[in-house]
Amino acid sequence: DGGITQSPKYLFRKEGQNVTLSCEQNLNHDAMYWYRQDPGQGLRLIYYSQIVNDFQKGDIAEGYSVSREKKESFPLTVTSAQKNPTAFYLCASSNRDGPYEQYFGPGTRLTVT
Amino acid sequence: AQSVTQLGSHVSVSEGALVLLRCNYSSSVPPYLFWYVQYPNQGLQLLLKYTTGATLVKGINGFEAEFKKSETSFHLTKPSAHMSDAAEYFCAVRGTGTSGSRLTFGEGTQLTVNP
Repeated sequence: DGGITQSPKYLFRKEGQNVTLSCEQNLNHDAMYWYRQDPGQGLRLIYYSQIVNDFQKGDIAEGYSVSREKKESFPLTVTSAQKNPTAFYLCASSNRDGPYEQYFGPGTRLTVT
Repeated sequence: AQSVTQLGSHVSVSEGALVLLRCNYSSSVPPYLFWYVQYPNQGLQLLLKYTTGATLVKGINGFEAEFKKSETSFHLTKPSAHMSDAAEYFCAVRGTGTSGSRLTFGEGTQLTVNP
């Protein structure tokens, strides 16, 4: 089955540690996205990539970093510079040139204490 | 720039009643419009989309939405609510130009279905 996988489902870290969230897709999509979701705040775009080896900052990129070395993979690193990292993180993918609907993974809930 | 406004962060209906979730958008070009549903602790699932053509679009689970250009609206409806419809719903718009393939999401509407 084609789809997007995110691992792990739940992640716990101590403050001051960097942590990397995994996102893999087998939909042959060019574009991939990372969103952060907090209660009552909808989805906020962190980073997105429309092609391998290229990515753009979204609306809340500070304290995060990404790489896009393979079409299938778009890992997100939450660095120690991110002031409030505890959140639900969603990865998505889509065709770059249309249709533009995004397909989402199941999400990773990160808790930093 | 594109934006999406969902009127009502919480909507409550009785089982069997009409569901109406409101979405208004702004876009300087003809938009692509989407509705997604999210169940607790899960990712978003596409309900339906409008790109071009027929302005009334049908989606999964009995939902439909109508694109009204004059009102810049894309409201989501379902004739008869089921308990399983309780979830959060997001409207999204994709513009054109330098924004590429990214979508702009509304802040979501939490739907409660009462027995």
